[in-house]
Amino acid sequence: NAGVTQTPKFQVLKTGQSMTLQCAQDMNHNSMYWYRQDPGMGLRLIYYSASEGTTDKGEVPNGYNVSRLNKREFSLRLESAAPSQTSVYFCAAARNRGYEQYFGPGTRLTVT
Amino acid sequence: GQQLNQSPQSMFIQEGEDVSMNCTSSSIFNTWLWYKQDPGEGPVLLIALYKAGELTSNGRLTAQFGITRKDSFLNISASIPSDVGIYFCAGDDTGANSKLTFGKGITLSVRP
Repeated sequence: NAGVTQTPKFQVLKTGQSMTLQCAQDMNHNSMYWYRQDPGMGLRLIYYSASEGTTDKGEVPNGYNVSRLNKREFSLRLESAAPSQTSVYFCAAARNRGYEQYFGPGTRLTVT
Repeated sequence: GQQLNQSPQSMFIQEGEDVSMNCTSSSIFNTWLWYKQDPGEGPVLLIALYKAGELTSNGRLTAQFGITRKDSFLNISASIPSDVGIYFCAGDDTGANSKLTFGKGITLSVRP
């Protein structure tokens, strides 16, 4: 039972490149979330999926897109990476909205 | 928007001491969560609180959901070196647009 897994663990991109961050959970949870964590800013919500088939914007969605591929998987895509997107990205899952969230180990992304 | 206040930013204690942290908000929350994050890792859920006045323990950790629903407290008793890390509080209003709001965290250092 791995909980929430994320790939890759580290990534370096050049400005303008694209990439997809992958997240999967084996807890059979309905809700999934993407956050970014920056020094002094805490955790900020990028996008979330309350249930399979739905996605909604969070606090900082600009420059990102998401796909809830199925109940287990929720991916985050950067179409044209910018240095401002250098951050640590966390995926989380919860039984439903309003319940405790369980986090993955994170993806450390650097955009040069 | 909603904000959670955690202060001070850093705390330094001696091994064996007890430590208390609090988290305050100008808004009412229906769920309070406490997380710990180790360097290079994702946040790990310590305690979840769902009812005003609720007091819950997890080993040496005790957390309380304030009766005003605008604050929560985390106590760590008999601290040990592995308690070092960043402690985040998070609140959820569990309304129609339910989402977690995170504090910026308190970095705890434990001197042996």
